[in-house]
Amino acid sequence: AQTVTQSQPEMSVQEAETVTLSCTYDTSESDYYLFWYKQPPSRQMILVIRQEAYKQQNATENRFSVNFQKAAKSFSLKISDSQLGDAAMYFCAYRSRDSWGKLQFGAGTQVVVTP
Amino acid sequence: DTGVSQDPRHKITKRGQNVTFRCDPISEHNRLYWYRQTLGQGPEFLTYFQNEAQLEKSRLLSDRFSAERPKGSFSTLEIQRTEQGDSAMYLCASSPGGAGVVEQYFGPGTRLTVT
Repeated sequence: AQTVTQSQPEMSVQEAETVTLSCTYDTSESDYYLFWYKQPPSRQMILVIRQEAYKQQNATENRFSVNFQKAAKSFSLKISDSQLGDAAMYFCAYRSRDSWGKLQFGAGTQVVVTP
Repeated sequence: DTGVSQDPRHKITKRGQNVTFRCDPISEHNRLYWYRQTLGQGPEFLTYFQNEAQLEKSRLLSDRFSAERPKGSFSTLEIQRTEQGDSAMYLCASSPGGAGVVEQYFGPGTRLTVT
């Protein structure tokens, strides 16, 4: 079974600065998807960025980018030029490619953005 | 596209009572998922529907839990004889079918408190 580990319960960052969230996972599969989801307080979860394991190039979405290290089973998220609206719980998630979509989530990292 | 909706948003019930939650997925999404999220944790998969067929259930889904999607559109999740341990956020997500489609769209959740 796959497991997803987020070892940072909380990360604090100043506005306009950069913060990196860590995620490691355990799997015996070679092809899969990885995601970062954002869950703002009392609001629904939204997809931030996704990475396909067979792609070596790291995904980027505006101020959000990932560092995908397949051999190390590591998938970190970098938030650049942090904004107050980035404050939220961030979840790393794993999905097998050969599945109908079941996601396995880490425990989450709370991002606090200070002015 | 009005997004995934869930009803009610909050439910307080006494131990031993039955509760039912509803999820309306995005129109024409044939995949529907239920997850449970307890405080300080990431969502955990409960069950999955492809159209009206329930194709997988987690072992977390005890005999007191039942889910349906009778016409392949909305879904209901019922918990019988609620226990305090059932207190959690219940999330619904939907996704279109088809190869290569990986993103799940989440609803706002139903927060259940069992007293």
